[in-house]
Parts: sequence; C-alpha cells; structure tokens
Amino acid sequence: DGGITQSPKYLFRKEGQNVTLSCEQNLNHDAMYWYRQDPGQGLRLIYYSQIVNDFQKGDIAEGYSVSREKKESFPLTVTSAQKNPTAFYLCASSIDLWELFFGEGSRLTVL
Amino acid sequence: SQKIEQNSEALNIQEGKTATLTCNYTNYSPAYLQWYRQDPGRGPVFLLLIRENEKEKRKERLKVTFDTTLKQSLFHITASQPADSATYLCALVPRVLNNAGNMLTFGGGTRLMVKP
Repeated sequence: DGGITQSPKYLFRKEGQNVTLSCEQNLNHDAMYWYRQDPGQGLRLIYYSQIVNDFQKGDIAEGYSVSREKKESFPLTVTSAQKNPTAFYLCASSIDLWELFFGEGSRLTVL
Repeated sequence: SQKIEQNSEALNIQEGKTATLTCNYTNYSPAYLQWYRQDPGRGPVFLLLIRENEKEKRKERLKVTFDTTLKQSLFHITASQPADSATYLCALVPRVLNNAGNMLTFGGGTRLMVKP
C-alpha cells in the first residue's frame, strides 16, 4: 500500500540535543512538507520541498533543518536552537496542492 | 493580516442530526478551500475540495459550501454518527502562489463530538 511513514511516533529529547524525524513516502509525489501542530492551533509550515535537492523555508523554519537527497525521503532535524520544540510534527506529500497526504505524525517532547 | 478562523469550542450534537462547522477567513483571496478530518494523535485526512467558482460540493453525507462574498465556508455532515467524532480542519490556497509565505494555510480546527 502506498503512503507516508513517519518515525519515531514518540520521541523524547533533552535540552541542547538535536533530533531527526524521519519521513518516507512511496506515493511517487514530488512535493513534501513538514508541519508543526500545537494544541488548539492550526498546522504551521516549517519547510517544504517541490523537487529533489531543493527545499524552501516555511513560516516557522528557525531552529529546524531539512534535506531532500531522495524523492522518497524528507527528514527534519530539530536543532537545539529551536526554543520550544515540544509539539506534534506532521509530514505530508502531494502531487500538487489539490490534496495533501499526511503521515501519522511524530510527537516530540523535551525533557 | 491573513487569518483563518474556525470555532475553537467543541461542537456537541446528537446522533442523527446534521453537524455544521464554520470556516471564516479575512484578507484572503482563496483559489480553493479544502476540508480535512483529524483523529486524535493521527495525521489529517483529506475530505473535500471546493473551488472559488463553486457554491456547493457533496460527497456522500458531506456537503461543503463556499461563499466568497461572506468569506466563509460551511461544512455539513448529515445523519451524523458517533464515528464522525473528530477534529475538522479547513485549509485555503490563495489565487496567487509566491512562495512558502502563502501556500496552503490551515485553520485551527473544530472538534466535533457526536453523542449516541
């Protein structure tokens, strides 16, 4: 079955540590996205990539980094520079903006 | 500034009734609007898309309306069931896409609770 796989589902981080969230898709979509979701708030765009080896900052890119070395993969690193990283992170992909396909999310908690 | 508003209070209704959720926007010229369903701890799932030149769209028990004069979309679930309980998100795509600054933008979502 085609879809998007995010891992890990739950992740705990100590302050000052970098962590990397994985996102893999087998839908053959060119575009991939990372969103952050906080309780009661809408999804906010962190980074997106429309093609391999290219990505753009979203509304809240500070403290995050990404790479897009393969079409199927779009990992997100939450760096120690991110002041408030505890959140639910969602990866998505699409052919265009008509419909986004989301993964199951990764919940990051800073201890 | 651009804003998308959904009622942050949960909507509680009785099974069998019609649920109506609202999405209001300001300072936007959307090309189209989408609705997603999100269950707790899971990713959103696409439900319906409606274009700016469409007044209404239906899919099974779901109906979406889009009023660009009122700057509002209504999302209806008829004959609601407890399984419809979830958070529903609206999202807008503007007519002019420059960069990530104005791509698909989501509202905060409204939680629907359908009681048996």
